[in-house]
Amino acid sequence: AQSVTQLDSQVPVFEEAPVELRCNYSSSVSVYLFWYVQYPNQGLQLLLKYLSGSTLVKGINGFEAEFNKSQTSFHLRKPSVHISDTAEYFCAFPNVSGTYKYIFGTGTRLKVLA
Amino acid sequence: DVKVTQSSRYLVKRTGEKVFLECVQDMDHENMFWYRQDPGLGLRLIYFSYDVKMKEKGDIPEGYSVSREKKERFSLILESASTNQTSMYLCASNLRAGSYNEQFFGPGTRLTVL
Repeated sequence: AQSVTQLDSQVPVFEEAPVELRCNYSSSVSVYLFWYVQYPNQGLQLLLKYLSGSTLVKGINGFEAEFNKSQTSFHLRKPSVHISDTAEYFCAFPNVSGTYKYIFGTGTRLKVLA
Repeated sequence: DVKVTQSSRYLVKRTGEKVFLECVQDMDHENMFWYRQDPGLGLRLIYFSYDVKMKEKGDIPEGYSVSREKKERFSLILESASTNQTSMYLCASNLRAGSYNEQFFGPGTRLTVL
């Protein structure tokens, strides 16, 4: 079965420190991978996506993610976080077995501390 | 920019009431989705629609129905609201079937059922 695992439900980090949010997926076929961000009281918006090609993907607001097929991971990183990065982050990929469904992780709440 | 709007940001209803949540997208997207979001559970798909009058059940359709009479509008109906349907409801759309198409989300409706 296809699935996405975000092991960390909450990640506190001090401002200007680096952060990594982990995402592991399980799929028997090739996948496309997405990271979405949800700021407080808002809907989700796309942060970045991996479709093919370079395994290092750059997104908005200084975030990047690396696709690692052997580790089945797609971890999100930022070298220096700001207070405004406080949000919930979701890893997701489309179910490619013939339906239109997207599989979302349970989310990681990033709290940036002053 | 794609815009997905939802009829209400906050809604309070009583047990047993019929509740309508409406979603409108302005970019001629074929697919539309309704999710509910609960802490620790991430996003769970209720229903999706891949064309006018076409719909498919998601992972948690019980207690909900949907209507898509026009391409741009997708309604979620709670036939008889119950307290366990208190949640954040997110609408999303994307262009067409295709595993690289990101979803665009509305701002969400926070529904409280008393």
